[in-house]
Amino acid sequence: DVKVTQSSRYLVKRTGEKVFLECVQDMDHENMFWYRQDPGLGLRLIYFSYDVKMKEKGDIPEGYSVSREKKERFSLILESASTNQTSMYLCASSLPGRDSPLHFGNGTRLTVT
Amino acid sequence: DAKTTQPNSMESNEEEPVHLPCNHSTISGTDYIHWYRQLPSQGPEYVIHGLTSNVNNRMASLAIAEDRKSSTLILHRATLRDAAVYYCISTGTASKLTFGTGTRLQVTL
Repeated sequence: DVKVTQSSRYLVKRTGEKVFLECVQDMDHENMFWYRQDPGLGLRLIYFSYDVKMKEKGDIPEGYSVSREKKERFSLILESASTNQTSMYLCASSLPGRDSPLHFGNGTRLTVT
Repeated sequence: DAKTTQPNSMESNEEEPVHLPCNHSTISGTDYIHWYRQLPSQGPEYVIHGLTSNVNNRMASLAIAEDRKSSTLILHRATLRDAAVYYCISTGTASKLTFGTGTRLQVTL
C-alpha cells in the first residue's frame, strides 16, 4: 500500500514564524499535492508538483511556497505565518495520468496564534 | 476543469443501499470521475473511479450516466463505518484537482 506520511499531526506556531510542513511518500509517485481543508470550504489546492524541482500553483497559493528537491519529499512553506493560515493541511501523491488515484496523508492541523 | 455538484448531506439506515449523486455537467471527454471519502480525523481515501462504463470494486459501485453529465456512487449495504464525507471530482489537468465540500453521509441503526 502507498504510504504518505506527514511529519506532524499537530503544530502550533506564532504569527510571523516561518513554518515548514513536510510530506514523504514511499511509492515513487511523480505527482505530489498540498491542500488545505477548512469547514464549509472543502479541500482547496495550494500547490502541485509533477516532478522534482517542478511546481505549479493551485487555487490558493498566496502566502505559501513549496520545495521538491527529492522525488519522495514535498515541503510546504509558510514564509510568515498568519492567523488566517490556521487550518488542516493535507498532502497527497499520485502517478501521472487522469485515472491515477490520489493517496493522502492524515493531515497536519496547524494553529497560528 | 469540470465543476462537480453534490448534495450537502444524506442519511441512510444501516444494511440498506445508498446512492450518492454527483453532477458534472461540464465534464470533458477525457476527464475521469473519481470518488473519495473522508472518515473523521483522517485524510481522504480513494473509493473508485471511471470514465464511461459502470465500475465495481470491493468498496462500491460507480454508475455513470450515458451522457457523462452525472454519476452515482452506490454503497450496496451501508454500515456505520461508511459514515463519512464523500467527494466526487472530475480529473482534468492535475493542477486543477479541486474537491469541493462533498456529501456528508450519516448512517443510523
